[in-house]
Amino acid sequence: AQKITQTQPGMFVQEKEAVTLDCTYDTSDPSYGLFWYKQPSSGEMIFLIYQGSYDQQNATEGRYSLNFQKARKSANLVISASQLGDSAMYFCAMREGRSGANSKLTFGKGITLSVRP
Amino acid sequence: EPEVTQTPSHQVTQMGQEVILRCVPISNHLYFYWYRQILGQKVEFLVSFYNNEISEKSEIFDDQFSVERPDGSNFTLKIRSTKLEDSAMYFCASRRGSSYNEQFFGPGTRLTVL
Repeated sequence: AQKITQTQPGMFVQEKEAVTLDCTYDTSDPSYGLFWYKQPSSGEMIFLIYQGSYDQQNATEGRYSLNFQKARKSANLVISASQLGDSAMYFCAMREGRSGANSKLTFGKGITLSVRP
Repeated sequence: EPEVTQTPSHQVTQMGQEVILRCVPISNHLYFYWYRQILGQKVEFLVSFYNNEISEKSEIFDDQFSVERPDGSNFTLKIRSTKLEDSAMYFCASRRGSSYNEQFFGPGTRLTVL
């Protein structure tokens, strides 16, 4: 089974509107972390936001927020007030177990977001 | 703001040749990682490194791969005898410590094996 599932093939959003990028995950470990990374066309991987499995509140970082629904095993990224520079590939990733030396990330296939002017 | 750097940005090599990809992690970080991304596909974990030894490796990281931290700043990935299927973007990442979750990625090295 896929550990991280991102099924939206491509998303379009009008500039200044909000957009939600979906991510579901699968793990039996009670301790885990969820990450979102942005990959623009230039190729680098930019860390956006992190949510721990025991965190009581949804994570927020500026225009990014994470809609964490633990029972549904979903960790959707919400981008508010989209900007043209938000056009990129977005990856959801998971770390299983407590944060330690063996903290490899497992990535989903990614979602392409295009922001229209 | 400190960042992870990687050299070269693009490496072209012939099948069977050895390549060394270089990374300079953020200076006060303790955990180091290599990932790769075949064009158009998802990012895959290769290896993690802590306290001068490998802490975990994936099935991709076979005997053809090795990592080294030869001095206090560099972190290298060596592929002994490259294959066509090694063509990918290779990302180095570092993490500050066990209390920190974020892995910060370098800009990547695009490896093309001909």
